[in-house]
Amino acid sequence: EADIYQTPRYLVIGTGKKITLECSQTMGHDKMYWYQQDPGMELHLIHYSYGVNSTEKGDLSSESTVSRIRTEHFPLTLESARPSHTSQYLCASSGQGPSEQYFGPGTRLTVT
Amino acid sequence: GEDVEQSLFLSVREGDSSVINCTYTDSSSTYLYWYKQEPGAGLQLLTYIFSNMDMKQDQRLTVLLNKKDKHLSLRIADTQTGDSAIYFCADPLLPDRMDRGKLIFGQGTELSVKP
Repeated sequence: EADIYQTPRYLVIGTGKKITLECSQTMGHDKMYWYQQDPGMELHLIHYSYGVNSTEKGDLSSESTVSRIRTEHFPLTLESARPSHTSQYLCASSGQGPSEQYFGPGTRLTVT
Repeated sequence: GEDVEQSLFLSVREGDSSVINCTYTDSSSTYLYWYKQEPGAGLQLLTYIFSNMDMKQDQRLTVLLNKKDKHLSLRIADTQTGDSAIYFCADPLLPDRMDRGKLIFGQGTELSVKP
């Protein structure tokens, strides 16, 4: 079983607030990913990282930012939350071998 | 670019077989994956198949791969209400690419199992 954690699981916050979504994994995986998932189910990659101090934008443009100071930790920050940021955010990681990714339980963000 | 397509919905009766289909465009994939997402949860790796295999069976799950037609399917035998979930197929990008390790996901198929 994969050991990847996300906090908080649910967050309701007002417009303009700064938020940080936490993601941690204990598997020593070098690659980590953030996805945004629509209510209509489709997954969109918004950020990824291949290791410490490596971060890249994903396929879907996002106003969020990420950092990778430690291998196990990949937080996502929104400087000023807006209602359009309301979504489910999923974090994942993968190791050196095959590409299978292990997912955290997700953070459901609601911006009012 | 690479693309993965799935039908969005499937409804079956408990005890029937379910077949979820997926088509992909990247012909160089070494693995193809199936993930399951239960309500309110993250994605769980369900099974995968190597590209040099035509079929893989794992208990109630059968994965069929037709490389010529770039078609992947997941069959669930004796479908139970607990199988109700969203199922994603995923195709990895080539390992020699700069953005290696990324997965291209289909849109997800919502399986509804009626008692």
